[in-house]
Amino acid sequence: GAGVSQTPSNKVTEKGKYVELRCDPISGHTALYWYRQSLGQGPEFLIYFQGTGAADDSGLPNDRFFAVRPEGSVSTLKIQRTERGDSAVYLCASSLPGQEHSYEQYFGPGTRLTVT
Amino acid sequence: AQTVTQSQPEMSVQEAETVTLSCTYDTSESDYYLFWYKQPPSRQMILVIRQEAYKQQNATENRFSVNFQKAAKSFSLKISDSQLGDAAMYFCAYRKGGGAQKLVFGQGTRLTINP
Repeated sequence: GAGVSQTPSNKVTEKGKYVELRCDPISGHTALYWYRQSLGQGPEFLIYFQGTGAADDSGLPNDRFFAVRPEGSVSTLKIQRTERGDSAVYLCASSLPGQEHSYEQYFGPGTRLTVT
Repeated sequence: AQTVTQSQPEMSVQEAETVTLSCTYDTSESDYYLFWYKQPPSRQMILVIRQEAYKQQNATENRFSVNFQKAAKSFSLKISDSQLGDAAMYFCAYRKGGGAQKLVFGQGTRLTINP
């Protein structure tokens, strides 16, 4: 079946602009995660959803970052007033509830955001 | 807070040889999982191997195996018979048990395979 998809693949924006990054999880996966990966670093957790609600948003760096998942499927990460430090690859992952081992996270290819 | 440390920014190995990537972690939890992910230039994170903390037996997946030392909080990855397709960034990751939980990643190790 189809894996996790993310659009756009690459996004270049000017400092101060607003951007939206989209994630389509694997069908039926109720948990959805966002991570940010800066150049040369490991991914860092931003937020995760269980269904429509944010179960843990402790990784969002500040109030310029916001994410939604209104119907429990597609999620959008929104960044207001972008700064050059927001430049990174934004990764999305999804997982299926059930047995403990079923919480394996499947990752999308990421969106590379460049703020100029 | 849980932390994961990979002390080898880069490693290289000759094709067909064996290489070991190191990882240490810190946690006060007793129920957790450890993972090795591979990230090729395509950026897609691919799960290589998983270890449940409650299992004493080290996980193996074909040419990939781990050395899980729970008391030392060490979790190394051994790749046997290295192939050119193994070249990638490798990330060690930790997840607390108890359902859907965030992954905590190390800084990564870039593995180069020399033909």
